[in-house]
Amino acid sequence: GDSVTQMEGPVTLSEEAFLTINCTYTATGYPSLFWYVQYPGEGLQLLLKATKADDKGSNKGFEATYRKETTSFHLEKGSVQVSDSAVYFCALSDLYSGAGSYQLTFGKGTKLSVIP
Amino acid sequence: DADVTQTPRNRITKTGKRIMLECSQTKGHDRMYWYRQDPGLGLRLIYYSFDVKDINKGEISDGYSVSRQAQAKFSLSLESAIPNQTALYFCATSEAGGNQPQHFGDGTRLSIL
Repeated sequence: GDSVTQMEGPVTLSEEAFLTINCTYTATGYPSLFWYVQYPGEGLQLLLKATKADDKGSNKGFEATYRKETTSFHLEKGSVQVSDSAVYFCALSDLYSGAGSYQLTFGKGTKLSVIP
Repeated sequence: DADVTQTPRNRITKTGKRIMLECSQTKGHDRMYWYRQDPGLGLRLIYYSFDVKDINKGEISDGYSVSRQAQAKFSLSLESAIPNQTALYFCATSEAGGNQPQHFGDGTRLSIL
């Protein structure tokens, strides 16, 4: 079945540091890829998405590029802020064979802490 | 007001009790989902519903049941709660289609003693 693997945390960075959170996937079809963010005490919010190879999703200074050849969707930000402290989830949406429906498969999440 | 509202936000109960978690949405989406989140395991799908008459089991449906009372309401029940069902539960909604993102409520923290 489909799966998402993302780097284990926690990740601790100083403010203005460069961020990379690795995400790789396996899928039977041609999935759409997402990054969600969860701030403390809240639900998940869509951060960015990409629907086909070489697409770059971007939002709030975060970027991720859909790399089909390496089955990856790494999240990057050039200069993190304290307010970026959260848990980040990589996810894919794929058509499950036989089910006729798209479901989200999540990675286990990476906790990011940014210190002043 | 939140687009996806979950009640209660927190609940502590005892083993063997019946629990109902409720979810309502104002987004007008046909699709609704229930997930549980456990530390180190990410989110796992319990049940999903593509419309009022279409309910499907997810990855971990054993011990849970659901009811889709209306397009906007989707409730999750634990018929006889057990301690390993202690977790954070999320409801989500989406439009139809394969590339549509899901929109999450703020979660219900459930503790079963």
